[in-house]
Amino acid sequence: QQQVKQSPQSLIVQKGGISIINCAYENTAFDYFPWYQQFPGKGPALLIAIRPDVSEKKEGRFTISFNKSAKQFSLHIMDSQPGDSATYFCAASRAGSYQLTFGKGTKLSVIP
Amino acid sequence: KAGVTQTPRYLIKTRGQQVTLSCSPISGHRSVSWYQQTPGQGLQFLFEYFSETQRNKGNFPGRFSGRQFSNSRSEMNVSTLELGDSALYLCASSLDGTGGERRYFGAGTRLSVL
Repeated sequence: QQQVKQSPQSLIVQKGGISIINCAYENTAFDYFPWYQQFPGKGPALLIAIRPDVSEKKEGRFTISFNKSAKQFSLHIMDSQPGDSATYFCAASRAGSYQLTFGKGTKLSVIP
Repeated sequence: KAGVTQTPRYLIKTRGQQVTLSCSPISGHRSVSWYQQTPGQGLQFLFEYFSETQRNKGNFPGRFSGRQFSNSRSEMNVSTLELGDSALYLCASSLDGTGGERRYFGAGTRLSVL
């Protein structure tokens, strides 16, 4: 049972464009939704995270939009740069849990 | 502050062998969790340890086991290796491992089973 579904699997965006990655979850007990960025040969690193009491969170060029009723959240990367080329994972966890449940990842390529 | 250190970075084993992977968390972090990363399944939770106690275990066979030492360092062991165990094994540390806490990942150990 895949509890967090992520799309698209891969994404190609031109430099300066907007990258959008979507995730949907099933477990309404989830209350923490982080996004991780992973470069080849490295472990995932936290990019930005949101809790369901807010609908949007912005940090620099990265924004999470959260729709609690639809059980969906998305990552928007504004003014995408070649250095943003990486694999992005959405994840979710709930209070009292000691694990993150990850989406399957989106490989983003930003072309000049 | 040093990050999460995983050793070795690469391992090649043959079917039927066993392997032990090591993880040293960030100083002061008491929670260590392990994930298996494969192209097909993404990141899947293996188990989590806090103060030498396993608090949660993912849906993996008993061939996968782990432990944590008093200094918070952790090891995971896979016995009777199968081809499907080939993966990147990631370790993450955090202060206490609770749901909304930031995890810091190591670079992983890439295991190849031949």
